[in-house]
Amino acid sequence: EAGVAQSPRYKIIEKRQSVAFWCNPISGHATLYWYQQILGQGPKLLIQFQNNGVVDDSQLPKDRFSAERLKGVDSTLKIQPAKLEDSAVYLCASSLDRTGGATEAFFGQGTRLTVV
Amino acid sequence: AQSVTQPDIHITVSEGASLELRCNYSYGATPYLFWYVQSPGQGLQLLLKYFSGDTLVQGIKGFEAEFKRSQSSFNLRKPSVHWSDAAEYFCAVGGRGDYKLSFGAGTTVTVRA
Repeated sequence: EAGVAQSPRYKIIEKRQSVAFWCNPISGHATLYWYQQILGQGPKLLIQFQNNGVVDDSQLPKDRFSAERLKGVDSTLKIQPAKLEDSAVYLCASSLDRTGGATEAFFGQGTRLTVV
Repeated sequence: AQSVTQPDIHITVSEGASLELRCNYSYGATPYLFWYVQSPGQGLQLLLKYFSGDTLVQGIKGFEAEFKRSQSSFNLRKPSVHWSDAAEYFCAVGGRGDYKLSFGAGTTVTVRA
């Protein structure tokens, strides 16, 4: 079974530039998450999709971050404009659960973003 | 509000020795609890999870964890560590009807020969 795919693996941009990350979840997984992991901290949920609808985006900085999940499959996370404090690993995860509640999430390898 | 505390930032253990990582959680209802491991440059891999039932759960790679409701703890243990167990370990909490998984800050494990 293929895992969660993310690209790119690494990205370096200058502040105020824009950047986009892509995620392909495990086939059939209804729920997709984007987490931000700052160095030395645990992952923090940015946004959660159930199929192509947003379930929770309370911690997404909406003035600069946006995310979409077209057709309930792939997802993109965009930052525009980027700030130095956005330097982090962005992890995508998916889970099978369709009825709500925390279930096992499978994580991709992440995209390491460096903003200079 | 839900939260997870991992009191130990860094633990060093000798190969073959036992390992215990502490996790304390705060959650208003019945929690779902998870332990994940992250090797350098890799994503998070699930070691084990607790939803209900037997409070001692077995996971992959010889790990186990015990849920203690009275202490709001979910400590991870391994009887004999291998050099390949060197990694960062994260405890997480969520619950039915609560879509958000909250992670602790992680514990880095170093294994010395």
